[in-house]
Amino acid sequence: RKEVEQDPGPFNVPEGATVAFNCTYSNSASQSFFWYRQDCRKEPKLLMSVYSSGNEDGRFTAQLNRASQYISLLIRDSKLSDSATYLCVVNMGNRDDKIIFGKGTRLHILP
Amino acid sequence: EPEVTQTPSHQVTQMGQEVILRCVPISNHLYFYWYRQILGQKVEFLVSFYNNEISEKSEIFDDQFSVERPDGSNFTLKIRSTKLEDSAMYFCASREQSSYNSPLHFGNGTRLTVT
Repeated sequence: RKEVEQDPGPFNVPEGATVAFNCTYSNSASQSFFWYRQDCRKEPKLLMSVYSSGNEDGRFTAQLNRASQYISLLIRDSKLSDSATYLCVVNMGNRDDKIIFGKGTRLHILP
Repeated sequence: EPEVTQTPSHQVTQMGQEVILRCVPISNHLYFYWYRQILGQKVEFLVSFYNNEISEKSEIFDDQFSVERPDGSNFTLKIRSTKLEDSAMYFCASREQSSYNSPLHFGNGTRLTVT
């Protein structure tokens, strides 16, 4: 299994739709999980951390399933400004210092 | 809001030359990182640095690469004898502490072009 694996993209969805991203990770001992977004030719920016109990921030909901080593991100009521690449990020190190990115899933929101 | 700053924003160098990419992490952060992103590809982990030493490094981070924190503010990546395939965006990142939900904060990146 790859260290961090994401859905291949791109996803093309109409404005207002709900879209879900999935991610799996290989290290069962991983403790830190994040979703970042990256706009074209820009640096990754934190979207949200992922907590064990799941967490929500406005239209965004993140879930963690440790047993399946699986993370998800749900975007509700998608906006044109949500168009970006969404990156699943997992700390694979024993001391919280080998933070690995998935390849990312490109999202296009269609007007 | 404090931010990670990187210089230069774009560096052009000839194959075989040495380059130094510079970063100023956020001042109260303790962990520092370098990542590389070749155009159209994923963000790749290069190295993490804590307490003045390398914590983890990837297979990419071979003898051609080195990192240094020469003073209390700068964090540098040196690439010796650059190759064409070193052309990429290089991102510096820092994080506050090793708690499980302490995220990475990225600089704007340095675009390295090797000709």
